[in-house]
Amino acid sequence: EVQLVQSGAEVRAPGESLKISCKGSGYSFSNYWIGWARQMPGKGLEWMGIIYPGDSDTRYSPSFQGQVTISADKSITTAYLQWSSLKASDTAMYYCGCSGRSADNFDYWGQGTLVTVSS
Amino acid sequence: QSVLTQPPSVSGAPGQRVTISCTGSSSNIGAGYDVHWYQQVPGAAPKLLIYANNNRPSGVPDRFFASKSGTSASLTITGLQTEDEADYYCQSYDRSLSGYVVFGGGTELTVL
Repeated sequence: EVQLVQSGAEVRAPGESLKISCKGSGYSFSNYWIGWARQMPGKGLEWMGIIYPGDSDTRYSPSFQGQVTISADKSITTAYLQWSSLKASDTAMYYCGCSGRSADNFDYWGQGTLVTVSS
Repeated sequence: QSVLTQPPSVSGAPGQRVTISCTGSSSNIGAGYDVHWYQQVPGAAPKLLIYANNNRPSGVPDRFFASKSGTSASLTITGLQTEDEADYYCQSYDRSLSGYVVFGGGTELTVL
């Protein structure tokens, strides 16, 4: 059974850095695309970017390019989403998702990580 | 403002049929890119409902089916059940500068 388990909720002040995680199990981690989507409070889903752990091919939505960094560690089957300097507008639920078929959809989803940025 | 346009809300009574539209353009759906659909029950993570235009993952009831034509796609739910009350999102690839992979704005389904 494919499972994606995300790290817990985080509260940070503006300007701080943050790295959240998504651990995959039940499938060949290196051979599935894994990525992230944002959902701001009361709003819809936004696709952020995706990585192929097998060769580290990483693709970002232009809206998020340069704002976040997506990475993956094959040795511990975990993907990451990180910020170097958070803004209040980064407050949102972040979901990871993976697909064994293509880079343009998520077959399986994590449970979500709530990030709150507040002074 | 998403490049894929969905109605903000639809509703139907139990047992009825509802259709949710997803209107795109020649840079996404009309260019032949696949459309996928997700269901998000309030307070839960999204779940894949339909992939590659009209394919149901294992476990998704055949009450859910989807189609694509020209620059639009649609999701139809027959025999509405109260448990179908959720937000529904379409997703595709857009080759313009607006983004790589894009979601529709989402449609809230209310089962009356």
